[in-house]
Amino acid sequence: DTGVSQNPRHKITKRGQNVTFRCDPISEHNRLYWYRQTLGQGPEFLTYFQNEAQLEKSRLLSDRFSAERPKGSFSTLEIQRTEQGDSAMYLCASSLGQTLKNIQYFGAGTRLSVL
Amino acid sequence: AQRVTQPEKLLSVFKGAPVELKCNYSYSGSPELFWYVQYSRQRLQLLLRHISRESIKGFTADLNKGETSFHLKKPFAQEEDSAMYYCALSPSNAGGTSYGKLTFGQGTILTVHP
Repeated sequence: DTGVSQNPRHKITKRGQNVTFRCDPISEHNRLYWYRQTLGQGPEFLTYFQNEAQLEKSRLLSDRFSAERPKGSFSTLEIQRTEQGDSAMYLCASSLGQTLKNIQYFGAGTRLSVL
Repeated sequence: AQRVTQPEKLLSVFKGAPVELKCNYSYSGSPELFWYVQYSRQRLQLLLRHISRESIKGFTADLNKGETSFHLKKPFAQEEDSAMYYCALSPSNAGGTSYGKLTFGQGTILTVHP
């Protein structure tokens, strides 16, 4: 499977715990995006990287959230001191980042449930 | 700020009937518009983008800058079209192609009855 890969697919945690999600983009894609989707809503942008540089962060990304993309390959999204409101589907997408080919390809997502 | 509105959460039609999924947007610059689709138990995938001017699976969408709309249309719906459809917007550069984040609408669930 050469698509965007996200792990784990599901994560159940207790309030106050830290969680980390991983995204492996399509290999030649230099842009990587994180989105969050809650029930009944469309995906909402969180942050994106071009190679290893984090170029934009949404105000949805509180200081409990941190994302990294070391070496411009895979990315991790960490949520510290989780809250019940963090329960959502976290989606990762990647793209070539070239103007004519900036189509974003999505992973299957990580579903987070905070108890 | 950019915003995408899909006024219908649910849309039901019978097989062979025409279907139109509405999308309106607001954005101060010149955007690129997309339709993404999510079939049951599958990941979100691109259906079409306005800059390509293609017909994919019989669907077309025309960008109307005057009405700030990008409605998705198909003349004869099929049962396999049943899915969640999202309209999305991205900022575009001077050449009209997109860069950066996508802003999504809330989605429309299309059900095509036999």
